[in-house]
Amino acid sequence: AQKITQTQPGMFVQEKEAVTLDCTYDTSDQSYGLFWYKQPSSGEMIFLIYQGSYDEQNATEGRYSLNFQKARKSANLVISASQLGDSAMYFCAMREGPASGGSYIPTFGRGTSLIVHP
Amino acid sequence: EPEVTQTPSHQVTQMGQEVILRCVPISNHLYFYWYRQILGQKVEFLVSFYNNEISEKSEIFDDQFSVERPDGSNFTLKIRSTKLEDSAMYFCASSQGLFNSPLHFGNGTRLTVT
Repeated sequence: AQKITQTQPGMFVQEKEAVTLDCTYDTSDQSYGLFWYKQPSSGEMIFLIYQGSYDEQNATEGRYSLNFQKARKSANLVISASQLGDSAMYFCAMREGPASGGSYIPTFGRGTSLIVHP
Repeated sequence: EPEVTQTPSHQVTQMGQEVILRCVPISNHLYFYWYRQILGQKVEFLVSFYNNEISEKSEIFDDQFSVERPDGSNFTLKIRSTKLEDSAMYFCASSQGLFNSPLHFGNGTRLTVT
């Protein structure tokens, strides 16, 4: 079974608009961490934002925020005021502990390709 | 800002040859990882390394793969006898801690096996 599901293979957004990239996860652990990474066409993986399962507030980092809905097991990335440079692949990842068979090794989703139109 | 560096950025090799991919993790990080990404596909875990030994490995990491930390800074991935299906982008990553620490990735080595 997929641990991380990103249902949107591709997304389009107009420059300066906000966009939400979906991520749902599957774990029985109470303690886990969720991460988002950006991969531009040049190939590097850039860490964007982290949300811990016990964090009461949604994480924010500049124009990135994480809409964390624990009961729904979703951790959607919201990018506000999109810029042309935001065009990239975006990966959601999760670290979970041994309680649910994990080993703290981050598992990645298949990614969502975001294209920002001028 | 400190970063993970990987060399070479591109490597072309013939099937059956050995390759060594090199990485210098961030200096105060304790956990090191190799991932690979076949073109346009999922980022797959290969192996993690802590305290000078392998802490976890995936089913992909078979006997033809090995990792080493030969000195205090370098972290290498060796593929003993490359196959065509080993062609991929290989990422090295490091993290300060285990649970809530993000992985910081290098820029990757694109390996092409011909």
